[in-house]
Amino acid sequence: QSVLTQPPSASGTPGQRVTISCSGSTSNIGTNTVHWYQQLPGTAPQLLIYRNNQRPSGVPDRFSGSKSDTSASLAISGLQSADEADYYCATWDDSLNGPVFGGGTKLTVL
Amino acid sequence: EVQLVESGGGLVQPGGSLRLSCTASGFAFSSYNMNWVRQAPGKGLEWLAYISSSSRIIHFADSVKGRFTVSRDNVKTSLYLQMNSLRDEDTALYYCARNLIGWGYGSVTYPVFDSWGQGTLVTVSS
Repeated sequence: QSVLTQPPSASGTPGQRVTISCSGSTSNIGTNTVHWYQQLPGTAPQLLIYRNNQRPSGVPDRFSGSKSDTSASLAISGLQSADEADYYCATWDDSLNGPVFGGGTKLTVL
Repeated sequence: EVQLVESGGGLVQPGGSLRLSCTASGFAFSSYNMNWVRQAPGKGLEWLAYISSSSRIIHFADSVKGRFTVSRDNVKTSLYLQMNSLRDEDTALYYCARNLIGWGYGSVTYPVFDSWGQGTLVTVSS
């Protein structure tokens, strides 16, 4: 049971905009930056968003991140079939004094 | 091209030991802090260990503290995870992951891992 709560699944149709939430607390998201990873089927995770809303080079601007209070969101616009993957949020937890990952959200493109 | 290649996984009995390796290439390995992350079958990601570029700072998740050790050889551009007293619940795909440069454990930009290996599978079973 992760301290960061993500919906187990999300879905959308091509071209649609979808959001994935990551809910935490004052000891983690409330006071620290949030990062997002994408894990395509059968592959290793890849950094998608860091420090709430920063995109590494090579990540399309269709992907965006935001944070408010103790929650964070990943938004994907212009949904593509290639976006079908598992998505994980991550942050630091001051109470646990260590990094934590969300349980992951499986995105299906219908 | 940045490459991280893990090896050393396999089948081991409960209570046994295994040493994983991660060989890095394509970047200045000695300048980067490194991590180990695992993923149990069908489950999410779990951070395990952190080692600074100079090996002076090391941290472990509570789940492996006292059983696992981490080390690195900057000359061989390799990262290691020594796993002892293995349990069934240690069965997972083990990844090495490169820290975003310039940021360390507990910093505002942690855990940010900008390169990952393909993973090596560890199965603990009798």
